[in-house]
Amino acid sequence: GAGVSQSPSNKVTEKGKDVELRCDPISGHTALYWYRQSLGQGLEFLIYFQGNSAPDKSGLPSDRFSAERTGGSVSTLTIQRTQQEDSAVYLCASSLMARETQYFGPGTRLLVL
Amino acid sequence: KNEVEQSPQNLTAQEGEFITINCSYSVGISALHWLQQHPGGGIVSLFMLSSGKKKHGRLIATINIQEKHSSLHITASHPRDSAVYICAVRYFGNEKLTFGTGTRLTIIP
Repeated sequence: GAGVSQSPSNKVTEKGKDVELRCDPISGHTALYWYRQSLGQGLEFLIYFQGNSAPDKSGLPSDRFSAERTGGSVSTLTIQRTQQEDSAVYLCASSLMARETQYFGPGTRLLVL
Repeated sequence: KNEVEQSPQNLTAQEGEFITINCSYSVGISALHWLQQHPGGGIVSLFMLSSGKKKHGRLIATINIQEKHSSLHITASHPRDSAVYICAVRYFGNEKLTFGTGTRLTIIP
């Protein structure tokens, strides 16, 4: 079946604009994760959704970042009033259940000018 | 200081060599993941383990819970193994992964 998909694959935006990044997890996967990989940096956790439970937002770097997951499937990560330091690759992953193998999407490369 | 340390940061080896990449962490964990990131950026999960040893093809992952240390081994390395290998841990009572900074492996034909 299809893997995790993300859109857009690349996004260039101007400082101060809002952006929305989309993740389509593997069908039936209940857990969904967002990560960020800045240039030359390691991966960092942003947010985690599991079923209908309240999301773990502990990794979101500021209140400009938010995410939602509609109907337990598609997720959108929104960054408001983008800053240059938000430039990074944003990765989504899903797993059948929590604490199982995660399958990663190809990422969205965001560049804030 | 990163809570998850990997070594070496960079490794270049000849095709056919036996490769070892190390990962150490400071606090007890419920699971450890090994991930592979190819130059194009795609990430693949190689192993998830909480004890002992796992093997998949030419790849072997081991973990020593008492010593808080894991190793990823590649036997009969091949240029297609060239990638960044990332160790990540999940702490007890926590669903998120904490990542190491990665080991860049280059296998020369």
